[in-house]
Amino acid sequence: DTAVSQTPKYLVTQMGNDKSIKCEQNLGHDTMYWYKQDSKKFLKIMFSYNNKELIINETVPNRFSPKSPDKAHLNLHINSLELGDSAVYFCASSQGRTGGVSPLHFGNGTRLTVT
Amino acid sequence: AQSVTQPDIHITVSEGASLELRCNYSYGATPYLFWYVQSPGQGLQLLLKYFSGDTLVQGIKGFEAEFKRSQSSFNLRKPSVHWSDAAEYFCAVGAGNTPLVFGKGTRLSVIA
Repeated sequence: DTAVSQTPKYLVTQMGNDKSIKCEQNLGHDTMYWYKQDSKKFLKIMFSYNNKELIINETVPNRFSPKSPDKAHLNLHINSLELGDSAVYFCASSQGRTGGVSPLHFGNGTRLTVT
Repeated sequence: AQSVTQPDIHITVSEGASLELRCNYSYGATPYLFWYVQSPGQGLQLLLKYFSGDTLVQGIKGFEAEFKRSQSSFNLRKPSVHWSDAAEYFCAVGAGNTPLVFGKGTRLSVIA
Protein backbone atom coordinates (compact mmCIF):
# COMPACT_ATOMS: atom_id res chain seq x y z
CA ASP A 1 0.00 0.00 0.00
CA THR A 2 1.29 3.42 -0.94
CA ALA A 3 1.58 5.56 2.18
CA VAL A 4 1.85 8.98 0.54
CA SER A 5 0.65 9.16 -3.02
CA GLN A 6 0.68 12.15 -5.28
CA THR A 7 -0.62 12.66 -8.79
CA PRO A 8 0.33 13.23 -11.46
CA LYS A 9 3.90 11.94 -11.55
CA TYR A 10 4.76 14.13 -14.53
CA LEU A 11 3.18 17.41 -15.53
CA VAL A 12 4.19 19.32 -18.65
CA THR A 13 2.41 22.58 -19.32
CA GLN A 14 2.82 25.98 -20.87
CA MET A 15 3.51 29.28 -19.19
CA GLY A 16 0.42 31.04 -17.96
CA ASN A 17 -1.59 27.88 -17.37
CA ASP A 18 -3.13 26.83 -14.05
CA LYS A 19 -2.45 23.35 -12.72
CA SER A 20 -3.05 21.25 -9.61
CA ILE A 21 -1.16 18.46 -7.90
CA LYS A 22 -2.99 16.13 -5.54
CA CYS A 23 -1.66 14.34 -2.49
CA GLU A 24 -3.18 11.75 -0.20
CA GLN A 25 -1.75 9.90 2.79
CA ASN A 26 -3.15 6.78 4.45
CA LEU A 27 -0.85 6.81 7.47
CA GLY A 28 -3.27 8.60 9.75
CA HIS A 29 -0.80 11.47 10.17
CA ASP A 30 -1.92 14.86 11.38
CA THR A 31 0.45 17.00 9.35
CA MET A 32 1.12 17.29 5.64
CA TYR A 33 3.66 19.31 3.69
CA TRP A 34 4.67 20.49 0.27
CA TYR A 35 8.38 20.66 -0.55
CA LYS A 36 9.99 21.96 -3.71
CA GLN A 37 13.17 20.37 -5.05
CA ASP A 38 15.03 22.46 -7.60
CA SER A 39 17.32 21.32 -10.38
CA LYS A 40 20.25 21.20 -7.94
CA LYS A 41 18.30 18.83 -5.69
CA PHE A 42 17.85 21.45 -2.97
CA LEU A 43 14.74 20.75 -0.90
CA LYS A 44 12.79 23.65 0.51
CA ILE A 45 9.57 23.60 2.43
CA MET A 46 6.66 25.52 0.96
CA PHE A 47 3.65 24.81 3.15
CA SER A 48 2.53 22.72 6.08
CA TYR A 49 -0.97 21.86 7.25
CA ASN A 50 -1.92 20.33 10.59
CA ASN A 51 -5.46 18.96 10.76
CA LYS A 52 -6.51 21.17 7.84
CA GLU A 53 -4.97 24.27 9.45
CA LEU A 54 -2.17 26.11 7.66
CA ILE A 55 0.79 26.26 10.06
CA ILE A 56 3.77 26.95 7.82
CA ASN A 57 3.72 29.25 4.83
CA GLU A 58 7.22 30.01 3.66
CA THR A 59 8.06 32.77 1.23
CA VAL A 60 6.18 31.38 -1.73
CA PRO A 61 4.48 33.44 -4.46
CA ASN A 62 0.76 33.73 -3.87
CA ARG A 63 0.24 31.99 -7.20
CA PHE A 64 0.72 28.84 -5.13
CA SER A 65 -2.30 27.93 -3.04
CA PRO A 66 -2.52 24.79 -0.93
CA LYS A 67 -5.87 23.31 -0.03
CA SER A 68 -6.56 20.65 2.58
CA PRO A 69 -10.11 19.29 2.41
CA ASP A 70 -9.34 16.86 5.23
CA LYS A 71 -6.26 15.78 7.13
CA ALA A 72 -5.52 12.97 4.68
CA HIS A 73 -5.37 15.25 1.65
CA LEU A 74 -3.29 18.25 0.71
CA ASN A 75 -3.51 19.61 -2.81
CA LEU A 76 -1.37 22.27 -4.44
CA HIS A 77 -2.83 24.63 -7.01
CA ILE A 78 -0.56 26.83 -9.07
CA ASN A 79 -1.86 29.78 -11.07
CA SER A 80 -0.18 31.52 -13.99
CA LEU A 81 2.70 29.08 -14.22
CA GLU A 82 6.17 30.49 -14.90
CA LEU A 83 9.33 28.89 -16.25
CA GLY A 84 10.92 29.12 -12.80
CA ASP A 85 8.21 26.91 -11.34
CA SER A 86 9.75 23.92 -13.10
CA ALA A 87 10.88 21.58 -10.33
CA VAL A 88 9.96 18.40 -8.53
CA TYR A 89 7.27 18.91 -5.92
CA PHE A 90 7.10 16.50 -3.02
CA CYS A 91 4.24 15.91 -0.69
CA ALA A 92 5.07 14.56 2.77
CA SER A 93 3.35 13.77 6.02
CA SER A 94 4.32 13.33 9.66
CA GLN A 95 2.71 12.42 12.93
CA GLY A 96 3.98 15.52 14.68
CA ARG A 97 2.98 19.08 14.15
CA THR A 98 6.01 20.39 12.31
CA GLY A 99 8.23 17.60 11.07
CA GLY A 100 11.12 19.12 12.93
CA VAL A 101 10.82 16.27 15.36
CA SER A 102 8.75 13.60 13.67
CA PRO A 103 10.16 11.80 10.63
CA LEU A 104 8.68 12.75 7.29
CA HIS A 105 7.13 10.27 4.91
CA PHE A 106 7.45 11.41 1.30
CA GLY A 107 5.51 10.78 -1.84
CA ASN A 108 7.38 9.97 -5.05
CA GLY A 109 7.20 13.50 -6.36
CA THR A 110 5.62 15.34 -9.26
CA ARG A 111 8.00 16.60 -11.92
CA LEU A 112 6.58 19.84 -13.23
CA THR A 113 7.97 21.20 -16.49
CA VAL A 114 6.83 24.59 -17.68
CA THR A 115 7.57 25.41 -21.31
CA ALA B 1 17.62 28.99 12.89
CA GLN B 2 19.21 25.69 12.21
CA SER B 3 21.29 24.90 9.13
CA VAL B 4 22.95 21.87 7.58
CA THR B 5 26.08 21.53 5.48
CA GLN B 6 26.99 18.51 3.42
CA PRO B 7 30.49 19.32 2.19
CA ASP B 8 30.65 16.65 -0.50
CA ILE B 9 28.48 17.14 -3.57
CA HIS B 10 29.47 13.84 -5.19
CA ILE B 11 31.31 10.79 -3.91
CA THR B 12 32.34 7.70 -5.84
CA VAL B 13 33.20 4.46 -4.07
CA SER B 14 33.92 0.95 -5.22
CA GLU B 15 31.46 -1.77 -4.46
CA GLY B 16 32.43 -3.46 -1.21
CA ALA B 17 34.37 -0.45 0.05
CA SER B 18 33.42 1.47 3.16
CA LEU B 19 31.53 4.74 2.99
CA GLU B 20 31.32 7.88 5.07
CA LEU B 21 29.12 10.82 4.13
CA ARG B 22 29.71 14.01 6.06
CA CYS B 23 27.12 16.23 7.65
CA ASN B 24 27.64 19.30 9.83
CA TYR B 25 24.82 21.19 11.47
CA SER B 26 24.36 24.48 13.19
CA TYR B 27 21.87 24.77 16.03
CA GLY B 28 22.07 26.21 19.51
CA ALA B 29 20.44 23.36 21.38
CA THR B 30 20.37 19.60 20.93
CA PRO B 31 19.03 18.99 17.45
CA TYR B 32 16.98 16.21 15.99
CA LEU B 33 19.05 14.73 13.17
CA PHE B 34 18.01 12.65 10.22
CA TRP B 35 19.47 10.97 7.17
CA TYR B 36 17.27 10.40 4.14
CA VAL B 37 18.03 8.62 0.86
CA GLN B 38 16.53 9.45 -2.51
CA SER B 39 16.78 6.93 -5.32
CA PRO B 40 16.28 8.19 -8.88
CA GLY B 41 12.66 9.09 -9.56
CA GLN B 42 11.65 8.37 -5.99
CA GLY B 43 10.76 10.30 -2.90
CA LEU B 44 12.98 10.50 0.15
CA GLN B 45 13.14 7.54 2.50
CA LEU B 46 14.23 7.79 6.12
CA LEU B 47 17.46 5.89 6.82
CA LEU B 48 17.88 6.75 10.49
CA LYS B 49 17.34 9.42 13.08
CA TYR B 50 18.91 10.72 16.26
CA PHE B 51 16.90 12.32 19.02
CA SER B 52 18.83 11.58 22.21
CA GLY B 53 20.67 8.82 24.02
CA ASP B 54 23.24 6.61 22.36
CA THR B 55 25.19 8.72 19.91
CA LEU B 56 25.67 5.84 17.49
CA VAL B 57 22.41 5.06 15.76
CA GLN B 58 21.61 2.17 13.49
CA GLY B 59 19.37 2.51 10.49
CA ILE B 60 17.98 0.51 7.64
CA LYS B 61 20.02 -1.06 4.83
CA GLY B 62 23.08 -1.48 7.05
CA PHE B 63 23.68 2.25 7.59
CA GLU B 64 24.72 3.87 10.84
CA ALA B 65 25.48 7.41 11.92
CA GLU B 66 27.31 8.94 14.82
CA PHE B 67 26.34 12.17 16.54
CA LYS B 68 29.36 14.16 17.73
CA ARG B 69 28.29 17.22 19.61
CA SER B 70 31.83 18.61 19.89
CA GLN B 71 32.16 18.60 16.12
CA SER B 72 28.52 19.43 15.33
CA SER B 73 28.54 16.45 13.03
CA PHE B 74 26.28 13.55 12.17
CA ASN B 75 28.20 11.49 9.62
CA LEU B 76 26.64 8.53 7.86
CA ARG B 77 28.62 5.32 7.46
CA LYS B 78 28.33 1.93 5.88
CA PRO B 79 31.06 -0.73 6.14
CA SER B 80 30.50 -2.28 2.70
CA VAL B 81 28.69 -0.48 -0.08
CA HIS B 82 26.45 -2.29 -2.56
CA TRP B 83 25.68 -1.08 -6.08
CA SER B 84 22.07 -0.53 -5.02
CA ASP B 85 23.24 2.14 -2.56
CA ALA B 86 23.87 4.56 -5.42
CA ALA B 87 21.50 7.44 -4.70
CA GLU B 88 21.28 10.96 -3.31
CA TYR B 89 21.69 11.26 0.45
CA PHE B 90 20.30 14.10 2.49
CA CYS B 91 21.10 15.08 6.03
CA ALA B 92 18.42 17.08 7.85
CA VAL B 93 18.12 18.87 11.16
CA GLY B 94 14.93 19.55 13.07
CA ALA B 95 14.11 21.50 16.17
CA GLY B 96 10.95 22.11 18.13
CA ASN B 97 8.32 23.95 16.17
CA THR B 98 10.41 24.76 13.12
CA PRO B 99 10.28 22.75 9.92
CA LEU B 100 12.96 20.29 8.95
CA VAL B 101 15.93 21.84 7.19
CA PHE B 102 17.73 19.75 4.61
CA GLY B 103 21.31 19.84 3.41
CA LYS B 104 21.97 20.11 -0.30
CA GLY B 105 22.61 16.41 -0.63
CA THR B 106 25.52 14.15 -1.56
CA ARG B 107 25.28 12.05 -4.66
CA LEU B 108 26.80 8.60 -4.20
CA SER B 109 28.05 6.66 -7.20
CA VAL B 110 29.16 3.04 -6.85
CA ILE B 111 31.58 1.50 -9.31
CA ALA B 112 32.39 -2.16 -9.82
